[in-house]
Amino acid sequence: EAQVTQNPRYLITVTGKKLTVTCSQNMNHEYMSWYRQDPGLGLRQIYYSMNVEVTDKGDVPEGYKVSRKEKRNFPLILESPSPNQTSLYFCASSSRETETRREQFFGPGTRLTVL
Amino acid sequence: AQKVTQAQTEISVVEKEDVTLDCVYETRDTTYYLFWYKQPPSGELVFLIRRNSFDEQNEISGRYSWNFQKSTSSFNFTITASQVVDSAVYFCALSQGAQKLVFGQGTRLTINP
Repeated sequence: EAQVTQNPRYLITVTGKKLTVTCSQNMNHEYMSWYRQDPGLGLRQIYYSMNVEVTDKGDVPEGYKVSRKEKRNFPLILESPSPNQTSLYFCASSSRETETRREQFFGPGTRLTVL
Repeated sequence: AQKVTQAQTEISVVEKEDVTLDCVYETRDTTYYLFWYKQPPSGELVFLIRRNSFDEQNEISGRYSWNFQKSTSSFNFTITASQVVDSAVYFCALSQGAQKLVFGQGTRLTINP
């Protein structure tokens, strides 16, 4: 089954404790992204990757890091989480192919609370 | 810059009523895609429709219909004969290149029995 998986789905942590949210897709997609969802703001892109070892900032990259060492994985790293990073996070992937390139496949979401 | 506006923050209707969710977008691209997603209380994002900028035909899928009008930069979504299961947050989104979607703020729809 074609899917994007994220782990963990729920996480409560404390300020300053480094954490990683994993994202994996099995569709051989070139593009992957991280979004955060906040009330009244919709979803905003944090980082994106066009392919292995190619990453770039989205609209709200501060406080986050990413890496793309393998095509299927795109982890989101919070080196020193703060309460303002409490949010619902979505990983997404999409294909370079023209017909489907504009549709993003979303993971189930990770609800993060930073105390 | 790309922008999507969903002016209706919350809508509440009684079951079986028709309801329209508004979406207005801004872009300078001549080729773009518009999307609607549904987010039920469980939190996942459910893809509903994709429409490209060259196809202004309205689309109907069961009780759902979409009205795309380039002249007013709008892509509105109508649910006919609403049901309680339609209660969710609905997002309109606009493609920015191949790697990014720009989302509206979302509209929380509540269908009361």
